[in-house]
Amino acid sequence: DARVTQTPRDKVTEMGQEVTMRCQPILGHNTVFWYRQTMMQGLELLAYFRNRAPLDDSGMPKDRFSAEMPDATLATLKIQPSEPRDSAVYFCASGMGDRDETQYFGPGTRLLVL
Amino acid sequence: GNSVTQMEGPVTLSEEAFLTINCTYTATGYPSLFWYVQYPGEGLQLLLKATKADDKGSNKGFEATYRKETTSFHLEKGSVQVSDSAVYFCALTNQAGTALIFGKGTTLSVSS
Repeated sequence: DARVTQTPRDKVTEMGQEVTMRCQPILGHNTVFWYRQTMMQGLELLAYFRNRAPLDDSGMPKDRFSAEMPDATLATLKIQPSEPRDSAVYFCASGMGDRDETQYFGPGTRLLVL
Repeated sequence: GNSVTQMEGPVTLSEEAFLTINCTYTATGYPSLFWYVQYPGEGLQLLLKATKADDKGSNKGFEATYRKETTSFHLEKGSVQVSDSAVYFCALTNQAGTALIFGKGTTLSVSS
């Protein structure tokens, strides 16, 4: 049963620290999405990649957030420096792009910035 | 651009009651439509989808029909169970067809 995996599942850090979240998409999927979910804002699309190239990162705060795909099996989302307002659950999802728009979500990384 | 609006919750029902969660959309072209479900502490899971007008998606007793004339994709289930308690998200493809646009989610709570 192929699944998207995310690490860490939970992260507590102090304001100003760097946070790195990792995602392993389902093998064979060529599109990766990063979302942030909070009670106030709901589900927000931060950025997405196709074939490892960024397609859109307009939802991402540029000054402190960065997203990359070092290879087809790994996507990373970094926050530097982190702030308390970044506390949220961050989801990664993957899909097959043009062949099927369905997205498959990982379990999320719950981030708490103190 | 494309957008989706779903009814606000929470929706509170007794077990075996009929469920409807309304979803309407605005779109250019012919987007695909989706319902996702999120159980507590988990990521979103695809519940059902429809890719063209008049298609009916169904899964686990839930169903929704792609209605182009009313730009709607309402989710229905004839008899809900306590285990259906979750947050339900309506979504559609964006104008470029490269990503999904999600509604704000509707919380369903079913009591026995």
